[in-house]
Amino acid sequence: DAGVIQSPRHEVTEMGQEVTLRCKPISGHDYLFWYRQTMMRGLELLIYFNNNVPIDDSGMPEDRFSAKMPNASFSTLKIQPSEPRDSAVYFCASTSGSEQFFGPGTRLTVL
Amino acid sequence: AQSVTQLDSQVPVFEEAPVELRCNYSSSVSVYLFWYVQYPNQGLQLLLKYLSGSTLVESINGFEAEFNKSQTSFHLRKPSVHISDTAEYFCAVTMDSSYKLIFGSGTRLLVRP
Repeated sequence: DAGVIQSPRHEVTEMGQEVTLRCKPISGHDYLFWYRQTMMRGLELLIYFNNNVPIDDSGMPEDRFSAKMPNASFSTLKIQPSEPRDSAVYFCASTSGSEQFFGPGTRLTVL
Repeated sequence: AQSVTQLDSQVPVFEEAPVELRCNYSSSVSVYLFWYVQYPNQGLQLLLKYLSGSTLVESINGFEAEFNKSQTSFHLRKPSVHISDTAEYFCAVTMDSSYKLIFGSGTRLLVRP
């Protein structure tokens, strides 16, 4: 298995632009998580899905952030419009049990 | 509410010396406990976990952690570290019936020759 796949690995954009981050979980995993990592706030859980249904989105910082999981093999995290304070590394993780498997992350820089 | 505290933000140590990275948690229910490791510019990888049974759990690369319920701790130890152990280490907790992980702030282990 290739593991959790995230794209792009790096994204540089200008303030106000829309950003879409993508994640392909490990086949057979029924939970998918989106995290954000910054120096100031550490690792934060943004949202997680079970069987493609959002279960807890209490970590989504504001309405500019949205996440979807249209099927078991794909999820997106969208920021519209983006702001410089959104600059961070965004991780996707999946699991079917107690261990979460993390993707390599997307480093987002908003200028 | 659950929380995880890693008091040491950075731990410098010389190669081949022992090390302990501290982790304390708070929870009113039974928990599962994890240590994840993050190497530079990579995602997190599971190092070891405690779900039930023996309170001492080990990883394949020589780390171990002991679950202490009375002290609500899950400290990570290694008797002799290598340069390659330099990384950030995260302690995390989840409840029995949830897969939602609560992470500590991380401890950067810096191994010097």
